[in-house]
Amino acid sequence: NLILTQPHSVSGSPGKTVTISCTGSSGSIASNFVQWYQQRPGSAPTTVIYEDSQRPSGVPDRFSGSMDSSSNSASLTISGLKTEDEADYYCQSYDSRSVVFGGGTRLTVL
Amino acid sequence: EMQLVESGGGLVQPGGSLRLSCAASEVDFNRYNMNWVRQAPGKGLEWLSFISGTSSTIYYADSVKGRFTISRDNARNSLFLQMNSLRAEDTAVYYCARVNYGHYGMDVWGQGTTVTVSS
Repeated sequence: NLILTQPHSVSGSPGKTVTISCTGSSGSIASNFVQWYQQRPGSAPTTVIYEDSQRPSGVPDRFSGSMDSSSNSASLTISGLKTEDEADYYCQSYDSRSVVFGGGTRLTVL
Repeated sequence: EMQLVESGGGLVQPGGSLRLSCAASEVDFNRYNMNWVRQAPGKGLEWLSFISGTSSTIYYADSVKGRFTISRDNARNSLFLQMNSLRAEDTAVYYCARVNYGHYGMDVWGQGTTVTVSS
């Protein structure tokens, strides 16, 4: 079964760039789409990236997604960090009739 | 845009049952596949179950298989999760979410309903 591994936490200063990784345990993560969700404290998740690198309407272009087959990982990059970006971020994919979430990454904007 | 509103959460004793509902605001609810996802206190997101628009395809996570049942009533724009044999570890916020992206990606989430399993 697929396991998606994310760093527990990342941090960055306002205006800087951070990258959150999502590494697949088996197979090729690139063979299935990856979504990224943002969850602020006390709120439901919202989608910031879908199908590896697509941004939903309303999500600023400071958010970008990419895939790296060589490391079997997906990445979410947030540039021009703002204090409002402070949240938990989850990657999500699919494996064998199951939806799989990564464990989540807490982004702190210092 | 479709809005989703969950209801039915509450306090239940171990071994008890609860039925969650998710009301969708749009009449084309039947076009969309749906997921239930939960989040235990201080923990990450956990997928529970998937149902296709016509209810022809249903999947469950191993953690709830045999105890939880997903269903939908498209005439009432509603999604349900029947939860039986509840355990303390089922304590969580339960979200319904619309599937609208590849490989079961979700674009619309409800606000969640809280289930507490405790004696």
